[in-house]
Amino acid sequence: GENVEQHPSTLSVQEGDSAVIKCTYSDSASNYFPWYKQELGKGPQLIIDIRSNVGEKKDQRIAVTLNKTAKHFSLHITETQPEDSAVYFCAASGVQGAQKLVFGQGTRLTINP
Amino acid sequence: EAGVVQSPRYKIIEKKQPVAFWCNPISGHNTLYWYLQNLGQGPELLIRYENEEAVDDSQLPKDRFSAERLKGVDSTLKIQPAELGDSAVYLCASSLAAGAAGELFFGEGSRLTVL
Repeated sequence: GENVEQHPSTLSVQEGDSAVIKCTYSDSASNYFPWYKQELGKGPQLIIDIRSNVGEKKDQRIAVTLNKTAKHFSLHITETQPEDSAVYFCAASGVQGAQKLVFGQGTRLTINP
Repeated sequence: EAGVVQSPRYKIIEKKQPVAFWCNPISGHNTLYWYLQNLGQGPELLIRYENEEAVDDSQLPKDRFSAERLKGVDSTLKIQPAELGDSAVYLCASSLAAGAAGELFFGEGSRLTVL
């Protein structure tokens, strides 16, 4: 089955700087790659997703890139703000879509003012 | 519109006791999921429902865990008897359509502590 590895486990950046979180996956059949943000005491919330037919997607300060050949994808947050502090999870799923999502271990992002 | 509602938010029990968690998904969402989230880890799927049918329960430890979604709306996850290793957050999620990659909407979770 699918295995998703996520790095780093913790990340601390200065406010205004950029943050990058990377994930690798094992199943070449995976075609859907969402990113979820989890704040303390809350459930995960989708922030951006990408499908295998595109290499990059942007939404304001957030972007995701996908390299299917290398089987890795990354989350980029620019101009970081204190409210970006949270735990971020990548995930991957195959032909059955979101129903077979496998999550990474998470990255705790801290934005220092 | 209300999101996914879970209860209780917190539960502390002694080992070997039973416990039950309840979930009400977003109205109109036919697909419902129960996930287990251990401390410092990503969510892991326990069971997925399409309406009232459990279509993927391969990760559910059936010796002590059970779930039901009798009318295809709200759902209950039960553990009997609970063990120390069951201490975790139990997340419920729902989504609009089956078979398509799309957004999962998570509840705030039920945090279980087994003493």
